[in-house]
Amino acid sequence: GDKVKQSPSALSLQEGTNSALRCNFSIAATTVQWFLQNPRGSLMNLFYLVPGTKENGRLKSAFDSKESYSTLHIRDAQLEDSGTYFCAAEEGQGGRALIFGTGTTVSVSP
Amino acid sequence: NAGVIQTPRHKVTGKGQEATLWCEPISGHSAVFWYRQTIVQGLEFLTYFRNQAPIDDSGMPKERFSAQMPNQSHSTLKIQSTQPQDSAVYLCASSLDNSGNTLYFGEGSRLIVV
Repeated sequence: GDKVKQSPSALSLQEGTNSALRCNFSIAATTVQWFLQNPRGSLMNLFYLVPGTKENGRLKSAFDSKESYSTLHIRDAQLEDSGTYFCAAEEGQGGRALIFGTGTTVSVSP
Repeated sequence: NAGVIQTPRHKVTGKGQEATLWCEPISGHSAVFWYRQTIVQGLEFLTYFRNQAPIDDSGMPKERFSAQMPNQSHSTLKIQSTQPQDSAVYLCASSLDNSGNTLYFGEGSRLIVV
């Protein structure tokens, strides 16, 4: 089954607008990471989260381990924000490999 | 810091041939991971090493796939008797250690089996 479920699967944004992506976990996620995969295929790390929030420029992310979800907010979307966003969760303690969601493909248009 | 380096970037191989993919982690990183990405299955975990020792290979197909890390500066993923369903982008990633650290990915090796 889907241990890490991302929504929506695709998103079209106009430049300058705001939006939110979400991940729901059916596992006991202890840490979450968000990545952006650009059209060339490179995966860039955006955030590493323990329960709480982080902000970096126009991006803000939150992870609530009790309610088993994480969000990524994009503010004032720019063309370079286009790509596929993945969340990934570490299950439990003890250093397990990340489990990835299926991704949200974001297209920002002028 | 050159990031995680993967070679080759692209490989086309005939069905039944062997394919070997290489990964050089970021210097100083002790955890190395292999993932596979396809349109249908998404990003699937294959295996990982910590301090060169294999820790978890639960995602590796039991036959034909093997991974090694002979030294701290490189890891290999070998696929014997390749099949068309092995076609995918194989991604290597490293982190300082595996517990609570940011994961950095290479650009991937795209394998096409014809």
